[in-house]
Formats: sequence, structure tokens, C-alpha cells
Amino acid sequence: QVQLVESGGGVVQPGRSLRLSCAASGFTFSSFPMHWVRQAPGKGLEWVAVISYDGSHKYYADSVKGRFSISRDNSKSTLYLEMNSLAAEDTAVYYCARQAVPGIWLNDYWGQGTLVIVSS
Amino acid sequence: QPVLTQSPSASASLGASVKLTCTLSSGHSNNDIAWHQQQPEKGPRYLMKVNSDGSHIKGDGIPDRFSGSSSGAERYLTISGLQSDDEADYYCQTWGSGTVAFGGGTKLTVL
Repeated sequence: QVQLVESGGGVVQPGRSLRLSCAASGFTFSSFPMHWVRQAPGKGLEWVAVISYDGSHKYYADSVKGRFSISRDNSKSTLYLEMNSLAAEDTAVYYCARQAVPGIWLNDYWGQGTLVIVSS
Repeated sequence: QPVLTQSPSASASLGASVKLTCTLSSGHSNNDIAWHQQQPEKGPRYLMKVNSDGSHIKGDGIPDRFSGSSSGAERYLTISGLQSDDEADYYCQTWGSGTVAFGGGTKLTVL
């Protein structure tokens, strides 16, 4: 069965960096584009970034462009999100999600999320 | 880029049916969407894709009680035979032009 397990969250000071990981299993990771989506406490879902199956194409939400970087290691079936210059408004649960099919950016499987708290 | 509008809350009785609405912004009325369910303290769960023609394709293991439909710029999720664990937040999602948008979510209360 498809499993996505995020890790790397925690408490970080404003302006610092953090790297999140998402370990995938139960499917051929290298065949699927992957997304990061976040959810601030008590708020709705906010799309963060997407990466193509081979890592050659990446797109970002305006709110994180220039600060966050999405990447993947298909040999390890792992997705990453490098977050720099973190601010209080980046506090959220971060979910990785599989994209169902190429060209249709809907997410058919989600992880349980990892919590990032940006606070001094 | 598209904007999706959802009512913040809805309620219905145990065993009844409820229809949730997601409205696409002007210029995006032909977009397909996806519905996701998020139970308390859990990650989202994909329910189905609803196409502009009203057809829908459900995710793995989604019961027949869940169905989707469409009319103009509105996309619907209907849940029949409401159960207590249907109490959750429901989000619609669409995509296009290098971005993804989510609706604000509807909190469904099962009475």
C-alpha cells in the first residue's frame, strides 16, 4: 500500500533553515510527480511546491518562491523540502502528497504531516 | 489563477444526506476539481475527481455513499447515509498554469 512518511519538523528560530524529508513506499516513486502542501494551525490547506518525476521541473507558490527548494532522490524514494529564511507565517504542518497522473495536479495519497514551528 | 469558494460549515443528521459545494472563480468554470476529506488530527484523504461534465472518478476504497457532480462553475460532493466518522473538513482542489489552489474548506458536523 502507498505510504508517505514525513520527518524533519521541529521548532526553529526565525531566519534559520530546516530540511523536511518524505519517505515513500508501496509504489514506483520515480514515476510520480510529488507535492508539498502545508496547513497553518486552525487554517486550510495551502499548496507549497511540486517537482516532476525526474526532478527536472519545479514550481513554487509565490509565498515561498526564492526561500524554499523542493528536490528528490529517486534512488532513495525520498522527497525533500529545504526551507530557508523561515518566518512565523511558515509555521504549519507540512504534508507530502503524490500526484495521481502527469498533467493533472491532483493529489491521490497524502502523508500524516510533520509540524514546523518558527519561533524565537 | 483560480479561486475556489466553499461554505465554512455544514451540518446534517446521522443517516441523512448532505451536498457540499465548491464554486470556481470567473474564467475557470471549466476546471476539473478534486475533493479531499480531513478528519480531526489526520492528514487529508483523497475522495474523488469531479470533471466539468459532471462525471467523477473516486479514489481507492471510497464508499459508494460518496458521489460527485457538477453544474456550471459549481462542483458538488454528496454524502449519503451520513455516519459519525464523516464528520470532517472537506476541501476542494484545482490546478492550472503552474499552480494549485484549495478552497477554504467546509467543516461538516454530523448531528
